[in-house]
Amino acid sequence: SAVISQKPSRDICQRGTSLTIQCQVDSQVTMMFWYRQQPGQSLTLIATANQGSEATYESGFVIDKFPISRPNLTFSTLTVSNMSPEDSSIYLCSVESLSGQVYGYTFGSGTRLTVV
Amino acid sequence: AQKITQTQPGMFVQEKEAVTLDCTYDTSDPSYGLFWYKQPSSGEMIFLIYQGSYDQQNATEGRYSLNFQKARKSANLVISASQLGDSAMYFCAMTSYSGGGADGLTFGKGTHLIIQP
Repeated sequence: SAVISQKPSRDICQRGTSLTIQCQVDSQVTMMFWYRQQPGQSLTLIATANQGSEATYESGFVIDKFPISRPNLTFSTLTVSNMSPEDSSIYLCSVESLSGQVYGYTFGSGTRLTVV
Repeated sequence: AQKITQTQPGMFVQEKEAVTLDCTYDTSDPSYGLFWYKQPSSGEMIFLIYQGSYDQQNATEGRYSLNFQKARKSANLVISASQLGDSAMYFCAMTSYSGGGADGLTFGKGTHLIIQP
């Protein structure tokens, strides 16, 4: 299955600043997915990133707050802009990949963001 | 719109017992996939098992099996012979294939499983 390198693994940021999270995949993938996991909660899909086109955002998430880049088939970034304490969460990227004979979704190790 | 419901916020199970984690889903798409993930305290998301909506047989992967009842829209995870290392959060999730490719995953709220010695 695909291997995803996600960084940073954690960060503490001041409110009002922005943080860019990077995900590098060891193989070419069509779509990359970004999720948010708020403290003690489940995962929520933020957006889907296709190479060469604008990302598709889920309800409740907007491009101005979470701009995404997808410059090639192995790399994507998510920026959390103008951060507030409510943005403190774990952010994860994911790709669809073959695991044995099944297509599952592989996740990066996550970025644990704390906004103070 | 898709929805995943996990009604067991937490479960305590004795080591070596079998455990069933409940998951029901709702979708209007005819083609979809169901997944179970394990999230230990370290935070990583570990893929456990997959069931496609057109699969005739229930999926199995080692000690994990998925009890798929399509008419009831349920996809329960069964862990046989539980081990202390099974203690973690377990998430049921689904995706739709009706758009030609896979969409992202919709997750349930999760079940916190604790295995007791």
